[in-house]
Amino acid sequence: QKEVEQNSGPLSVPEGAIASLNCTYSDRGSQSFFWYRQYSGKSPELIMSIYSNGDKEDGRFTAQLNKASQYVSLLIRDSQPSDSATYLCAVNDGKLVFGAGTILRVKS
Amino acid sequence: ETGVTQSPTHLIKTRGQQVTLRCSSQSGHNTVSWYQQALGQGPQFIFQYYREEENGRGNFPPRFSGLQFPNYSSELNVNALELDDSALYLCASSLYGERWTGELFFGEGSRLTVL
Repeated sequence: QKEVEQNSGPLSVPEGAIASLNCTYSDRGSQSFFWYRQYSGKSPELIMSIYSNGDKEDGRFTAQLNKASQYVSLLIRDSQPSDSATYLCAVNDGKLVFGAGTILRVKS
Repeated sequence: ETGVTQSPTHLIKTRGQQVTLRCSSQSGHNTVSWYQQALGQGPQFIFQYYREEENGRGNFPPRFSGLQFPNYSSELNVNALELDDSALYLCASSLYGERWTGELFFGEGSRLTVL
């Protein structure tokens, strides 16, 4: 069973700070990776996908991938209270395998 | 563009009963995946349908079954409900073209409570 590991948190950051969310995966052959945001009581929403080693930026979000270390991260710059949610990391294994998610709390 | 819609949004059943959950995929998508999400956990893959056939299944017993229709909508059926089946059931649609990108778009989910 391929695994995706995330720290459950909660990760608390002050408003305006950088939030750093991390994820490791077990299958070295995995090729594509995703970050989803899930507000309490709502369904997951795709934030970013990343396929190549390095950084991918989209607005305040940056996804980082290091296949050698089997590590994916999501940075959220200028964190806002509206960013408070659970962030799910997922790996494409022919279907998406999700981690348990990290709870992020942004305090104003 | 029409998003993924699921029905019903909430339902309560008792042990041993059967339930059917429905999903309409996003316009232009041809693949439907179903996930179960228990409280405090990440979504767990149940199965995926493409061209009206199951093309992937997670570690769920046969009492979990599904269908995909020619218009790409889908049903999830669960027989002989157990207390542990209480969860949020998520339907997600995606596009399988030359390859499957893995980008899923979720509906709002059906929250099932089994008493």
